Amino acid sequence: GAGVSQSPRYKVTKRGQDVALRCDPISGHVSLYWYRQALGQGPEFLTYFNYEAQQDKSGLPNDRFSAERPEGSISTLTIQRTEQRDSAMYRCASSPGGAKGFGQPQHFGDGTRLSIL
Amino acid sequence: AQKVTQAQTEISVVEKEDVTLDCVYETRDTTYYLFWYKQPPSGELVFLIRRNSFDEQNEISGRYSWNFQKSTSSFNFTITASQVVDSAVYFCALSVAFFGNEKLTFGTGTRLTIIP
Repeated sequence: GAGVSQSPRYKVTKRGQDVALRCDPISGHVSLYWYRQALGQGPEFLTYFNYEAQQDKSGLPNDRFSAERPEGSISTLTIQRTEQRDSAMYRCASSPGGAKGFGQPQHFGDGTRLSIL
Repeated sequence: AQKVTQAQTEISVVEKEDVTLDCVYETRDTTYYLFWYKQPPSGELVFLIRRNSFDEQNEISGRYSWNFQKSTSSFNFTITASQVVDSAVYFCALSVAFFGNEKLTFGTGTRLTIIP
């Protein structure tokens, strides 16, 4: 498809399990972002990739959270030893970045709704 | 640090009324972009508009218009002759470029309900 694709759409898991969330950005987009959106709140930044390089991970809450984008396209956000407070909508966004210049809008995927029991 | 404030948590208006959604931002950077996104009940985030910090011209797109005023650090969004399909949560967001990292800082959103 032409848009940002995220999978799974919904994930329910027990506390203590590891989860992996996948993001397939728009083809050719250099910049990729992960956000977390709690109910009734705006999305909050987690991490940023420029091609395959993770250039900002300042928003990751703790060391249980990690992300990768090994070939500069698909990205995976992994949460280890999940806790109930990790329950939220996790959104991925991509933008052209690079030579396209500053201020290009980010296009968001539909998100993964994560519920920790 | 950047901050975006959307003081209106929820707004309800009767269909065909005009409605304005407020957005106030804070940043020390002189170069930045402002955005509005729409989140309908289906949950996706849809890009509506962007403005850069050097362009204070107001913009109109059909029933939508945006008023950017640097003097008051505001970027307000007006819907004219509202329709039921406009019911959604609307987010204002801000980005500043730092070596290509344009992470967005979002407000908490305004839930708009259009009453038929």
